[in-house]
Amino acid sequence: EVQLVESGGGSVKPGGSLRLSCEVSGFSFSRSSMTWVRQAPGRGLECVGRIKTKTDGETTDYAAPVKGRFTISRDDSKNTLYLQMNSLKTEDTAVYYCTTDSDYFDSGAFYSVFDVWGQGTMVTVSS
Amino acid sequence: DIQMTQSPSSLSASVGDRVTITCRASQTISRYLNWYQQKPGKAPNLLIFGASNLQSGIPSRFSGSGSGTDFTLTISSLQPEDFATYYCQQTFSAPRTFGQGTKIDIK
Repeated sequence: EVQLVESGGGSVKPGGSLRLSCEVSGFSFSRSSMTWVRQAPGRGLECVGRIKTKTDGETTDYAAPVKGRFTISRDDSKNTLYLQMNSLKTEDTAVYYCTTDSDYFDSGAFYSVFDVWGQGTMVTVSS
Repeated sequence: DIQMTQSPSSLSASVGDRVTITCRASQTISRYLNWYQQKPGKAPNLLIFGASNLQSGIPSRFSGSGSGTDFTLTISSLQPEDFATYYCQQTFSAPRTFGQGTKIDIK
């Protein structure tokens, strides 16, 4: 069974740091690009950032609101994805999901999809 | 960034109703459009990719159409388990952005 399990969420004061983990099982993690998506309370979905595979250089990209503060990394030997969050702001309060970032092929094109999700972990930034 | 606008933001419907949700992109995105369903307290679930391709395991009452800037998600006969929030997402260019969501509740 494919599973993604996030951990590390909690409460932190503005300016603080937190590291989220996403442990995966049931599929080839090392061959999968991964993305973090967040959802503020009562709000919609927002991509936080992505990390590609080692084969693709473990390239990362980030959403503008978190660039320079958040870092995504991976440890393929532990089947684990990480999100290091520094200089946290109140607007970073959200449920954070990890998701597989796959390419599905149809009619001559590859389509990027988020096809397997974790259950989410809550991060609260408040004084 | 490409802005995705869904309409309506919410709707009330009955079991058996045909429901259509629209999603408009601020610029052309070809067919790089996905739809997700999210139930309260749960992670989103992929329904449709590439504008009209049904994800494996998703019931055939769900369908998607469109290309360019205008897209629709249709549920042909609403079932009790379909009451949820639906999001479109463009993957044409980074950042891959979502619509604000459409919540379907029971009339």
